[in-house]
Amino acid sequence: GAGVSQTPSNKVTEKGKYVELRCDPISGHTALYWYRQSLGQGPEFLIYFQGTGAADDSGLPNDRFFAVRPEGSVSTLKIQRTERGDSAVYLCASSLGPGSYEQYFGPGTRLTVT
Amino acid sequence: GNSVTQMEGPVTLSEEAFLTINCTYTATGYPSLFWYVQYPGEGLQLLLKATKADDKGSNKGFEATYRKETTSFHLEKGSVQVSDSAVYFCALMISNFGNEKLTFGTGTRLTIIP
Repeated sequence: GAGVSQTPSNKVTEKGKYVELRCDPISGHTALYWYRQSLGQGPEFLIYFQGTGAADDSGLPNDRFFAVRPEGSVSTLKIQRTERGDSAVYLCASSLGPGSYEQYFGPGTRLTVT
Repeated sequence: GNSVTQMEGPVTLSEEAFLTINCTYTATGYPSLFWYVQYPGEGLQLLLKATKADDKGSNKGFEATYRKETTSFHLEKGSVQVSDSAVYFCALMISNFGNEKLTFGTGTRLTIIP
């Protein structure tokens, strides 16, 4: 079956611009996570959705970052006034929900801010 | 807070060599432990997991044992193959009201030469 998909795969934007990154989780997965992976590092947690609500957004670095999941499926990560330090690979993962343990990761969106 | 420390790479081995990648953790609570693998050009995928002390996770010839007394979860394989070349991430999870966010180590790049 289809896995987690993310679009675009690559995004180059200028400093100060707004970007949206999209994640399509596996059908039926109620839990959705966003992570950010900087070069040479492991992924770092950004935000967790259970259904439509953001149950934990403690990993968002500042108020320029925002994410939504309005219908409990597709999620969009939004970054305002991008900075060069936002350059990273943004990963999305989904799971069946609490107790399932296994998260399925998408291929990521590589964001480059020039 | 929670953190994972894993063996720095890169690691280069000859085919059929024995592999160990060290991983230790610090956690406030009782974590589940994971190894994820990222093959070239692919997304992160779960390799194996252990959810309680003394459990052994295993998959594709890889093994790791959850050692609470040494707070470790070292990855081992008796005879590596060229196809095992990838980046390996150790991770922990503490479920908190259904939030199963992962905390990752920095990753270890493994290259197997024929």
